Amino acid sequence: EDKVVQSPLSLVVHEGDTVTLNCSYEVTNFRSLLWYKQEKKAPTFLFMLTSSGIEKKSGRLSSILDKKELFSILNITATQTGDSAVYLCAGGIQGAQKLVFGQGTRLTINP
Amino acid sequence: DGGITQSPKYLFRKEGQNVTLSCEQNLNHDAMYWYRQDPGQGLRLIYYSQIVNDFQKGDIAEGYSVSREKKESFPLTVTSAQKNPTAFYLCASSIRRLAGGTGELFFGEGSRLTVL
Repeated sequence: EDKVVQSPLSLVVHEGDTVTLNCSYEVTNFRSLLWYKQEKKAPTFLFMLTSSGIEKKSGRLSSILDKKELFSILNITATQTGDSAVYLCAGGIQGAQKLVFGQGTRLTINP
Repeated sequence: DGGITQSPKYLFRKEGQNVTLSCEQNLNHDAMYWYRQDPGQGLRLIYYSQIVNDFQKGDIAEGYSVSREKKESFPLTVTSAQKNPTAFYLCASSIRRLAGGTGELFFGEGSRLTVL
């Protein structure tokens, strides 16, 4: 059974801290790893990773994939209160039109 | 503006009643999805459809039904057979890729169903 596991499930830090969110996967015919941010309702797309070792970056957010260890991390530097959200990780399957999601990490940034 | 519209945003129903959640998209996407979100469990796939008049069961299809008569629309019916229907339901769509798996999903704002 395909599985995506995120850790930690919950994280509380102070504004300005750097955080690392983890995502491990066991996905048959793995194709891609996606990260989403869910603030209130609709998840919004952050990154899609398909190649190992290549960092994707968007402002203070960055992510990297390790296909040997079946692992991805999402880094957020200089956190702001607006970064508070649930961060979802999902595995994409080669040849299949669906994603397998992890449980999410609830990140809270305190001022 | 292009996007996905779900309705209603909030819905209450009594036990034993069927209810249908609407999902409409104007992104011209072929593939559409229904996910259920419960606290601490992330998103679980209920049904998905790659093209009109075709759909597949996801991981938790029991107690649910769907139809895909139009490209733009993918309604979900929560039947009385669903034992624990109270949840947050998210509809999504994506470009259909014939190879390589799906890419980015675009989500609606969700429908919160509460069974009394």
